[in-house]
Amino acid sequence: KQEVTQIPAALSVPEGENLVLNCSFTDSAIYNLQWFRQDPGKGLTSLLLIQSSQREQTSGRLNASLDKSSGRSTLYIAASQPGDSATYLCAVTDSWGKLQFGAGTQVVVTP
Amino acid sequence: DTEVTQTPKHLVMGMTNKKSLKCEQHMGHRAMYWYKQKAKKPPELMFVYSYEKLSINESVPSRFSPECPNSSLLNLHLHALQPEDSALYLCASSQVGGGDGDTQYFGPGTRLTVL
Repeated sequence: KQEVTQIPAALSVPEGENLVLNCSFTDSAIYNLQWFRQDPGKGLTSLLLIQSSQREQTSGRLNASLDKSSGRSTLYIAASQPGDSATYLCAVTDSWGKLQFGAGTQVVVTP
Repeated sequence: DTEVTQTPKHLVMGMTNKKSLKCEQHMGHRAMYWYKQKAKKPPELMFVYSYEKLSINESVPSRFSPECPNSSLLNLHLHALQPEDSALYLCASSQVGGGDGDTQYFGPGTRLTVL
C-alpha cells in the first residue's frame, strides 16, 4: 500500500527566505507526482505536476524535483512572500488514476 | 477555462434530510471525482467516474449516492447522514483519468455540516 509522507508538518519562515518542502513515497510505481496548495477551508490548486519520467518541473518561483527510485520529491519556493502562506500537499498518482495524498505541510511566511 | 464549480458552498442538514451536492466543469474532461476532506487531514477519494460510468467506489456507505447525468455534471446525493459525515466535499476533474496520470483540477468544495 502506497504511503506518502510530508516533512515537516509545519514551517514558519520570515519573508524572503527560500522554502523547502519534502515529500516521500513508499512505492516507486507511480505515474506522476503533483504538488497542490490549499488555503484554509478552500479547494486545492494544482501547482506542479511531474511525470514519472521527468526529474523536475519549474513554474515561476516554484521548482519541484522528483527522484522516483528513492521515492522522494522536493518543492522549492524561492523568495517567499506572505501570500505563500498555505498548506502544501503532495500526491502521487497510481495506475488507477487515484491520488494518494500526504498529510501536508502548513507554511506560514511572516512579514 | 480551467474551472470546476461546486454548489452550494455551505450546507447544513439534519440526519433525516435528503440533499444533493453539484459539481460542474466545462473543460471537456471525461473523468470526475468526489473527495471527502476532514479538518487537518488530506482529501480521501470517494468515487471516480470515467466517461460517465462509475469506475471506482472506495467502499463508501450507501447514504452517499453519486450520479453523473452527463460528461460535464457530477452530483452527490445525500440521505440519512451522520454527524461524522460533516466535512469539506471536493469535486475534481481530469482529461481522461485512469493510469494516464493527468492533472486533476479541483473545485472550491462544499462545506457540509450534519446536525
